[in-house]
Amino acid sequence: AQSVTQPDIHITVSEGASLELRCNYSYGATPYLFWYVQSPGQGLQLLLKYFSGDTLVQGIKGFEAEFKRSQSSFNLRKPSVHWSDAAEYFCAVGKESNTGKLIFGQGTTLQVKP
Amino acid sequence: SQTIHQWPATLVQPVGSPLSLECTVEGTSNPNLYWYRQAAGRGLQLLFYSVGIGQISSEVPQNLSASRPQDRQFILSSKKLLLSDSGFYLCASTRTGSSYNSPLHFGNGTRLTVT
Repeated sequence: AQSVTQPDIHITVSEGASLELRCNYSYGATPYLFWYVQSPGQGLQLLLKYFSGDTLVQGIKGFEAEFKRSQSSFNLRKPSVHWSDAAEYFCAVGKESNTGKLIFGQGTTLQVKP
Repeated sequence: SQTIHQWPATLVQPVGSPLSLECTVEGTSNPNLYWYRQAAGRGLQLLFYSVGIGQISSEVPQNLSASRPQDRQFILSSKKLLLSDSGFYLCASTRTGSSYNSPLHFGNGTRLTVT
């Protein structure tokens, strides 16, 4: 069965520092992979997605993610973090393309120090 | 683009009371609709999804039920709430048949506290 693991529950980085959030998935075929961001008390917003092709995908707000099949990973990165990036980040894998269902990881809370 | 309205934003209910959370969608027709629950420290869990009026699939056994009386209306209900039903409930939608090409759009959620 498909699953998603985000090993880091909480991460703190200084403003201007680089960021990498880890995501590992379990899936038998080429996965549909997503990163979403959730601001406090809000719904989720799509940052980026990977279906096929170029393994480095660009998203909104300066984020990118790299799909590594050999490591079953889809880590999210940003070269320079802004205070407004503080939020909760969720990695997700597509479960059934005909229904659009997603399986989400546990989430990683990002805190940004001034 | 799609807009999802959820209400109420917060709700405090006693154990054993009924529940009705409503979600409506604008900007698309015949969407796929989803109810997710976000419990503290546990990520998002898919509860129900619907591909059309009256078509509901449950993902996990639970004390809740869902209904879709109209194309763009999705309701989450319970006859008797349990303490374990507390959480943050999110409604989401995507274009029908999108095969993940259309992203999930989320509402702003309802924070339910069962006391």
